[in-house]
Amino acid sequence: GAVVSQHPSRVICKSGTSVKIECRSLDFQATTMFWYRQFPKQSLMLMATSNEGSKATYEQGVEKDKFLINHASLTLSTLTVTSAHPEDSSFYICSASDGRGAGANVLTFGAGSRLTVL
Amino acid sequence: GEDVEQSLFLSVREGDSSVINCTYTDSSSTYLYWYKQEPGAGLQLLTYIFSNMDMKQDQRLTVLLNKKDKHLSLRIADTQTGDSAIYFCAEGDTGRRALTFGSGTRLQVQP
Repeated sequence: GAVVSQHPSRVICKSGTSVKIECRSLDFQATTMFWYRQFPKQSLMLMATSNEGSKATYEQGVEKDKFLINHASLTLSTLTVTSAHPEDSSFYICSASDGRGAGANVLTFGAGSRLTVL
Repeated sequence: GEDVEQSLFLSVREGDSSVINCTYTDSSSTYLYWYKQEPGAGLQLLTYIFSNMDMKQDQRLTVLLNKKDKHLSLRIADTQTGDSAIYFCAEGDTGRRALTFGSGTRLQVQP
């Protein structure tokens, strides 16, 4: 079945540093990937849509200079949290449309990356 | 904009049926989805239903859709302790846009 690998699963960093999170589709090509952020006991908030070979589309209120997204190939999208601060601590989850289901936009999710900024 | 709502918590005894409810507002939703999230993990697709269907059954899972009332439910028969997790409903249309998720319902299964 479709698999999305996300790395790292956990990262702890100091305030002011940058952190890169990778999202890979292992057995399918994903022209579009989605980055979500999940706060404790809350739903998933869409941050941005990552498009292969072009600029990401950010949701309202998400700082594009803060959360850099690069989708350089059909199987890899990266999210870089620049100059991280404690309020950026969260669970970040990527997903990709795996093509299952005729017409349905079935998303396969990575296992998530928990970022803790000290 | 789209809005998807769920109750926050449900507790059932092992062996009983669980029913998780969801309402949505976007009448153009074409597909409705149910995902499961275990602690510290990503989301796992359980099932999805096309908006012109009323019901879909897959082993222990039954999805009911009332399009008129924009109400979706997930019934888990013979609920097991391994079913304890957070269940998210989501809506979307055809194409490649992101899904909109509900707030999630935490299902607790008591032995």
